[in-house]
Amino acid sequence: EPEVTQTPSHQVTQMGQEVILRCVPISNHLYFYWYRQILGQKVEFLVSFYNNEISEKSEIFDDQFSVERPDGSNFTLKIRSTKLEDSAMYFCASSTDRGPLAEAFFGQGTRLTVV
Amino acid sequence: AQTVTQSQPEMSVQEAETVTLSCTYDTSESDYYLFWYKQPPSRQMILVIRQEAYKQQNATENRFSVNFQKAAKSFSLKISDSQLGDAAMYFCAVLTNTGNQFYFGTGTSLTVIP
Repeated sequence: EPEVTQTPSHQVTQMGQEVILRCVPISNHLYFYWYRQILGQKVEFLVSFYNNEISEKSEIFDDQFSVERPDGSNFTLKIRSTKLEDSAMYFCASSTDRGPLAEAFFGQGTRLTVV
Repeated sequence: AQTVTQSQPEMSVQEAETVTLSCTYDTSESDYYLFWYKQPPSRQMILVIRQEAYKQQNATENRFSVNFQKAAKSFSLKISDSQLGDAAMYFCAVLTNTGNQFYFGTGTSLTVIP
């Protein structure tokens, strides 16, 4: 069964460093998402991406964050200068279409620890 | 905006027994969908069940069923005949018909006791 894969499963980085989280969505999917969950808190939407551009983003997704689909298969989330509060589990997701009728498939998550 | 509350951070159930996970939500939208996702340890989050808010009939998927109380904005998940493989984190979520982002709760960690 096709699945969304994320690498690495766990990343430790020093505060102020840049980090790139990688995701390989399901191959025929067109919509891509990043969510994050700070420990003990809700899973929060960060950004959605379609047709090589951001379609929606949340208030969390500030100038420190960027996304791209560099080669038509990977979908990456970059955090330019990490802060301690960026420590969280980051989930990538993809779907064939937008809206609730198109099932979103999630990856297993990347746990980012900023020290 | 939408909010989702899961008031049970942890639950446990004896194998073969039934367990109910609670979820309440709030939305000003009239057209929305509710979801339960399951995330086994170190695995992908997978869709368990989906409920359209305009449907009065509760959704059922094999051993999984929901109790959807629209007026109370409650959406609980019932797992019957619990199996060891049901052990996971369960997330409740809402998605509006016009929106493109899920609003999740904090999750409930379910342990299944052999």
